[in-house]
Amino acid sequence: AQTVTQSQPEMSVQEAETVTLSCTYDTSESDYYLFWYKQPPSRQMILVIRQEAYKQQNATENRFSVNFQKAAKSFSLKISDSQLGDAAMYFCAYRSHNTGNQFYFGTGTSLTVIP
Amino acid sequence: DTGVSQDPRHKITKRGQNVTFRCDPISEHNRLYWYRQTLGQGPEFLTYFQNEAQLEKSRLLSDRFSAERPKGSFSTLEIQRTEQGDSAMYLCASSLKAATEAFFGQGTRLTVV
Repeated sequence: AQTVTQSQPEMSVQEAETVTLSCTYDTSESDYYLFWYKQPPSRQMILVIRQEAYKQQNATENRFSVNFQKAAKSFSLKISDSQLGDAAMYFCAYRSHNTGNQFYFGTGTSLTVIP
Repeated sequence: DTGVSQDPRHKITKRGQNVTFRCDPISEHNRLYWYRQTLGQGPEFLTYFQNEAQLEKSRLLSDRFSAERPKGSFSTLEIQRTEQGDSAMYLCASSLKAATEAFFGQGTRLTVV
């Protein structure tokens, strides 16, 4: 089974600064999808950004961008110009293209934004 | 609101009782998932439906757990003879097809006392 590892249980960033959250994964597949989800306290999980493994270009969504290193099986999330509303748990997730019936999630990184 | 809806949001039950949770996915989504999330952990896959067919079940889904999705619309997750270890957040998600992200509901928090 695929595994997703987030080695940073907690991170903090000053408001307006940049922070990078790390994620590595283990798979023998070549075609898959990677996601970053955000889960604010007591609120539902929402998608932040998505990356298709066949695309070499890193995905970007406004202040959020990823550094996808396929050979290294690394998928980090960069948050620029951090805002107080970015404070949340962030989960990295993997989904197979061929047998994509489930997502595999990491254990999450709790991000604190310091005013 | 046309997002994924879960009911109830919170449930407290005594050990040994049965509980049932409901999930209403986004209307055009044919794929529906149940996940369990415990404190400090990421969501763990429980089961998956495509339309009304339950196509995959995790080893985590013991015989006390059963899920249904009649007519491929809403889904229910029932836990029989609840145990304290069943205390967790139960998340439902739906998606349109395999190549897309899943949209999550707000979850049902179960506490077994």
